[in-house]
Amino acid sequence: AQSVSQHNHHVILSEAASLELGCNYSYGGTVNLFWYVQYPGQHLQLLLKYFSGDPLVKGIKGFEAEFIKSKFSFNLRKPSVQWSDTAEYFCAVTKTNFGNEKLTFGTGTRLTIIP
Amino acid sequence: DADVTQTPRNRITKTGKRIMLECSQTKGHDRMYWYRQDPGLGLRLIYYSFDVKDINKGEISDGYSVSRQAQAKFSLSLESAIPNQTALYFCATSDLRVPYEQYFGPGTRLTVT
Repeated sequence: AQSVSQHNHHVILSEAASLELGCNYSYGGTVNLFWYVQYPGQHLQLLLKYFSGDPLVKGIKGFEAEFIKSKFSFNLRKPSVQWSDTAEYFCAVTKTNFGNEKLTFGTGTRLTIIP
Repeated sequence: DADVTQTPRNRITKTGKRIMLECSQTKGHDRMYWYRQDPGLGLRLIYYSFDVKDINKGEISDGYSVSRQAQAKFSLSLESAIPNQTALYFCATSDLRVPYEQYFGPGTRLTVT
């Protein structure tokens, strides 16, 4: 079964610092990759997605992620974080074969930005 | 996303009680999902439905049941609630044509005492 690992459980940064959150998945076939964000008290929202093509994907609010197939990774980055980026971030993966589009989520990384 | 609504938003219930969580969507999506979120465990899939007549178990379906009353409604029931079912429950939907993108409701915080 596929799995998703997020090794950083809680990250604390100061405003303007650069961010990189790790995500690794275990499935060896073709996958689609996602980052979701959950702001305090809110539901999950899609931050960005990778289906195919350019492995560097840009999402909302200045976030980007890079798919490195050889490393089974899809790390999330932002060059300069803001206090409003405080949230929980979830990486998710699904296989591409039709009929099996179930998202498998990582355990999440809680990001706290200090003003 | 106001297109996916969940009721109730918060619920406290006692061990052994039956409880139903409801999800409605106006996005016109065929597919609906129920997840639970626990601290440190992320989101885990309980049940999913690809259309009204198609119900499937997820990775943690024991102790839960679902009903897809219509394309727009998908309910989750706890037949006899137990304290370790205390969690945040999310409903999600996706479009058959873009099945990989899921849209989440605001969540139901359930506490079983």
